[in-house]
Amino acid sequence: NAGVTQTPKFQVLKTGQSMTLQCAQDMNHNSMYWYRQDPGMGLRLIYYSASEGTTDKGEVPNGYNVSRLNKREFSLRLESAAPSQTSVYFCASSPRRDGAYNEQFFGPGTRLTVL
Amino acid sequence: AQSVAQPEDQVNVAEGNPLTVKCTYSVSGNPYLFWYVQYPNRGLQFLLKYITGDNLVKGSYGFEAEFNKSQTSFHLKKPSALVSDSALYFCAVRDIQNNNAGNMLTFGGGTRLMVKP
Repeated sequence: NAGVTQTPKFQVLKTGQSMTLQCAQDMNHNSMYWYRQDPGMGLRLIYYSASEGTTDKGEVPNGYNVSRLNKREFSLRLESAAPSQTSVYFCASSPRRDGAYNEQFFGPGTRLTVL
Repeated sequence: AQSVAQPEDQVNVAEGNPLTVKCTYSVSGNPYLFWYVQYPNRGLQFLLKYITGDNLVKGSYGFEAEFNKSQTSFHLKKPSALVSDSALYFCAVRDIQNNNAGNMLTFGGGTRLMVKP
C-alpha cells in the first residue's frame, strides 16, 4: 500500500517550458488536491477534484491546469512555466466527497525550479 | 471566508520540557481544525483533529490540542518534548458552513519547532 505517490521528485525547467506533475493514490479516495508550498506561506490550494470527473479552482489556479484521469490519478500541468512557479508541489487525497472532517493524506512532494 | 494564523515562525524548547505551538482561526460558522507535521523533505502527516465534543483532543506521538472557542484558538501541546519532534507544524481549518464540496482546508504558514538536547 503505497498511499499517495508523486513523480517526478525533482525537476528543473526553463521559462516557457511545459511539464506535467503526476499523482496517484491507491486508497480508493474520492477527493484529490494539488498544493504548492512556499516559505512562510504554508500550503496554498491550486486545484482540487471532489470526485472523479470533477475539478475546481483553488486559491492560486493561474498558470496551471489539471486532469482527473480516473479515480486514482490527478495530474497538474504547467503550460508555460514561469520563475514564480518555483515551489514544492504536494498532491493529497481524502476519503469521501462529503467527508468534511476527513484528514488529507499527502504525497512526498515535487521540488520544481524554473530558471 | 476561513483563515488561520500561526503567530510564531519558530519555537525553541529544551528536550523534556513542555511545548506549545500556537494557532488561531477565523470562520463564519463552526470549525473543523487539524494539525499536521512535516519532517524534512517529506509530505505532511496528520497529527490530530477537532470536529466536535471534548475540547481536548489527543493525537499521534503524544501530542494533544485544546480547542478554545471563545479565544478562537487550537494550540498544539506536548507535555515532554523529544529531539525527534523537531519539524514544521501546520494548523488547518475548514468552516463547517463553507459549502465547498471538496473538503478544502486553509493552512497556516507553519511553525518550525526546534527541540534541543
